[in-house]
Amino acid sequence: RKEVEQDPGPFNVPEGATVAFNCTYSNSASQSFFWYRQDCRKEPKLLMSVYSSGNEDGRFTAQLNRASQYISLLIRDSKLSDSATYLCVVTGTYKYIFGTGTRLKVLA
Amino acid sequence: EPEVTQTPSHQVTQMGQEVILRCVPISNHLYFYWYRQILGQKVEFLVSFYNNEISEKSEIFDDQFSVERPDGSNFTLKIRSTKLEDSAMYFCASSRLGGREHDTQYFGPGTRLTVL
Repeated sequence: RKEVEQDPGPFNVPEGATVAFNCTYSNSASQSFFWYRQDCRKEPKLLMSVYSSGNEDGRFTAQLNRASQYISLLIRDSKLSDSATYLCVVTGTYKYIFGTGTRLKVLA
Repeated sequence: EPEVTQTPSHQVTQMGQEVILRCVPISNHLYFYWYRQILGQKVEFLVSFYNNEISEKSEIFDDQFSVERPDGSNFTLKIRSTKLEDSAMYFCASSRLGGREHDTQYFGPGTRLTVL
C-alpha cells in the first residue's frame, strides 16, 4: 500500500460546482495532515491543515477520519482560479510525505 | 510576508559535474528540508536538517548528496557528480518547529536542475 494515495484525476468541473477529493494514508502513527495546492511548475503552497474535528476556510472544508486513515477536501462554488493540483500531505517524524496529487480543472 | 528563497531558478549542467543549490530559509525557522519533484511525479523527501545535523534522509539521499548551512542564513544542497536522473525541480522548505512538534513547512519557488 502506498504511504499516501490519491486519485490523480483530472477532475473537470464547471464553475460553481462542488468537488470533493479523497486521500488515504498507510501509517496510523501519522500526526499531522495538510492539503497543499500546487500550480503548474510552482512550489506547493499550504491550503489548509486538517483536524479530526473538521475545519473550514471559506469555500474549503477538510475532514480527517483517523479510524479509516482517510482525509478529504471539499471545494464549494468552484472558481476558475481553483484549477491546480491538490496535494495531500501526511507528516513523518521529520518530513512531509506527499500524495501524487489530484488535478482539478474548473471550466468556464 | 517572509518567504523561502532559492537560487538559481534554473541550473543546466553536464553529467558528472557538481552542482550546489542554494536556499535562504525564513529567518526564525529552525528546521530545513530539501525535496525534489521529477517532472510529472510526486514531491519526494530528500533530507531534513536541524541544529547543524541531518535529522532524517531518504533512500534517494545517497553519498552523492550533501547539505550544509555554511552561515546563519544559507542552506545548500550539493550534488557531487550529477546523473541524468537527477534532473528535477528541487524545493527547499523550512519550518519553525519539527520532529514530533509538527509545524507547517513553507516552500521556496524551486530550482529546476537539468542534467545533460
